[in-house]
Amino acid sequence: NAGVTQTPKFRILKIGQSMTLQCTQDMNHNYMYWYRQDPGMGLKLIYYSVGAGITDKGEVPNGYNVSRSTTEDFPLRLELAAPSQTSVYFCASGTENTIYFGEGSWLTVV
Amino acid sequence: AQTVTQSQPEMSVQEAETVTLSCTYDTSESDYYLFWYKQPPSRQMILVIRQEAYKQQNATENRFSVNFQKAAKSFSLKISDSQLGDAAMYFCAYRIPSGAGSYQLTFGKGTKLSVIP
Repeated sequence: NAGVTQTPKFRILKIGQSMTLQCTQDMNHNYMYWYRQDPGMGLKLIYYSVGAGITDKGEVPNGYNVSRSTTEDFPLRLELAAPSQTSVYFCASGTENTIYFGEGSWLTVV
Repeated sequence: AQTVTQSQPEMSVQEAETVTLSCTYDTSESDYYLFWYKQPPSRQMILVIRQEAYKQQNATENRFSVNFQKAAKSFSLKISDSQLGDAAMYFCAYRIPSGAGSYQLTFGKGTKLSVIP
């Protein structure tokens, strides 16, 4: 019963590098999300998707890009990594009345 | 924009006692969902309990229950018979069921709960 799977769990990036955080869900949910959580803070929405081929910006989209080519996958792309992007990233998927989260990806930009 | 406020940054409770975590929210919607999530040190987000705004009955999940006051826009979480494993950050979250935002969650800043043996 996999649920929402994120990879990698931990990553250290150098300033200016790029990377992709992968997210896959096996619950056939239309809605998928990327959140970031900075130390001592709640979660802030980066991007979301309401179905394959449809994405939209959340509260803090700058420096990120997403795509949604299939129902299952929702990768998050970081371009030109900056120290301000050091955070824990959560992918989530859901229906109308609930959202399930992945285990998080810890990203450090040095 | 909807906001969620958790006014207690930290709380503590004796093992086996009861504790209540507070949450208020601001919205002009009449139909919405409210959630409490638990985040242990592992950082995983675990759904604790869910409340639908159109239901007057307060949600209950084993030792966890809520006091939902729609008119006051208040949604508190009560943990009974507290256990050491309940120690975690607890986040209150709000969600509109349709329209702009497409079911996204808005989170409060969290309450750190410590359980004293």
